[in-house]
Amino acid sequence: DIQMTQSPSSVSASVGDGVTVTCRASQSISNWLVWYQQKPGNPPKLLIFAASTLQGGVPSRFNGSGSGTDFTLTISSLQPEDVATYFCQQAYTFPVTFGGGTKVEI
Amino acid sequence: QVQVVESGGGVVQPGRSQRLSCVVSGFSLNSYAMHWVRQAPGKGLEWVAAISFDGDIQYYADSVRGRFTISRDTSKNRLFLQMTSLTVEDTAVYFCARVGTTRNLLPRYGMDVWGQGAAVTVSS
Repeated sequence: DIQMTQSPSSVSASVGDGVTVTCRASQSISNWLVWYQQKPGNPPKLLIFAASTLQGGVPSRFNGSGSGTDFTLTISSLQPEDVATYFCQQAYTFPVTFGGGTKVEI
Repeated sequence: QVQVVESGGGVVQPGRSQRLSCVVSGFSLNSYAMHWVRQAPGKGLEWVAAISFDGDIQYYADSVRGRFTISRDTSKNRLFLQMTSLTVEDTAVYFCARVGTTRNLLPRYGMDVWGQGAAVTVSS
């Protein structure tokens, strides 16, 4: 199975700050990396697929990059509504696997 | 309106069975693969199972293979997860989710429609 490792597990920043979350795959997954945002009490929301393509309606302050084994989710200017846990997911092969999550706080 | 709604959660004793249902609307199960993903209390996301758009192919996580079965009834627009031999480790909220592109089984473009989830508690 492909292991997905996210870091940090949590991060605290101020409104307007940039925030970076990393996700590392245990083997190359090309660009088949997906990011989700989950707010408490809600299901995950699709943010980014194919490593860098924003899902429709997602604010442009979210940016994804990377390929192979190393990926990054960046929030360029943190907003109060971005408080959530972010998960990466590899879609290269079965079993689908998720990272452990990164909790973003203000 | 495109949506999925899970049902069938509850409290079940260890070793017993439970069937979850997910009714879909606004799209056809004949066009989209579907997945089940679970989340234990206070934990991360764990992929559970997937079924192809034509119903012919299923995949399972090692942790549930042989105990859980994913299926569907396209005439009723319903996806199911039959769970047997439940253990306390199966306690979680179970989400059904649609793959974001037609016909693809792997969620390479993400899972774009999620339900609110069905809570399953395995306890004596």
